[in-house]
Amino acid sequence: ILNVEQSPQSLHVQEGDSTNFTCSFPSSNFYALHWYRWETAKSPEALFVMTLNGDEKKKGQISATLNTKEGYSYLYIKGSQPEDSATYLCAFGNSGYALNFGKGTSLLVTP
Amino acid sequence: EAGVTQFPSHSVIEKGQTVTLRCDPISGHDNLYWYRRVMGKEIKFLLHFVKESKQDESGMPNNRFLAERTGGTYSTLKVQPAELEDSGVYFCASSQEEGWPTEAFFGQGTRLTVV
Repeated sequence: ILNVEQSPQSLHVQEGDSTNFTCSFPSSNFYALHWYRWETAKSPEALFVMTLNGDEKKKGQISATLNTKEGYSYLYIKGSQPEDSATYLCAFGNSGYALNFGKGTSLLVTP
Repeated sequence: EAGVTQFPSHSVIEKGQTVTLRCDPISGHDNLYWYRRVMGKEIKFLLHFVKESKQDESGMPNNRFLAERTGGTYSTLKVQPAELEDSGVYFCASSQEEGWPTEAFFGQGTRLTVV
């Protein structure tokens, strides 16, 4: 069993606030780290796939960093908007093809 | 291009009944995955098909679960007989390339409730 831990479990911020979440994963046998954005009753939407230590990826106001040596990734949202409200999932890929997910961080952005 | 589609979106069945979930992957994607999220827990891997072959079924909970992918196109996941603990959201995902890194595209899930 590969433990992927995400924190915080939930977060409530005001519109315009910037926020960040943490994903920690086993640092051994690393292949890839995925971030997904998921709204209930919709498909989880892929945000980033990162493979190299030090990777930084950005999509709009969302960015992510990766540290494979210490086994963590940060997801940042700059200037949160109500439409950013969702559950943010990270998933770790090792030598198999299965993704190992964390429980997610549930973000609520209120106007 | 159509994404991964799953049917039905919701299913409520009684304990002991049978339910079959269907997944249509993105056209041309050889890799198809089933995952499940039980309430309050993380999404967990069930199994992986490459075309019509089961590549990895290490996540299947027990022999009440049967997955098929005849012809390497759509896949079905049958639960027979269903138990209360089978309730959850069943996700299907597909990807084009084997190996890492590969982006897996998810369906919207089937919410199964066993009463």
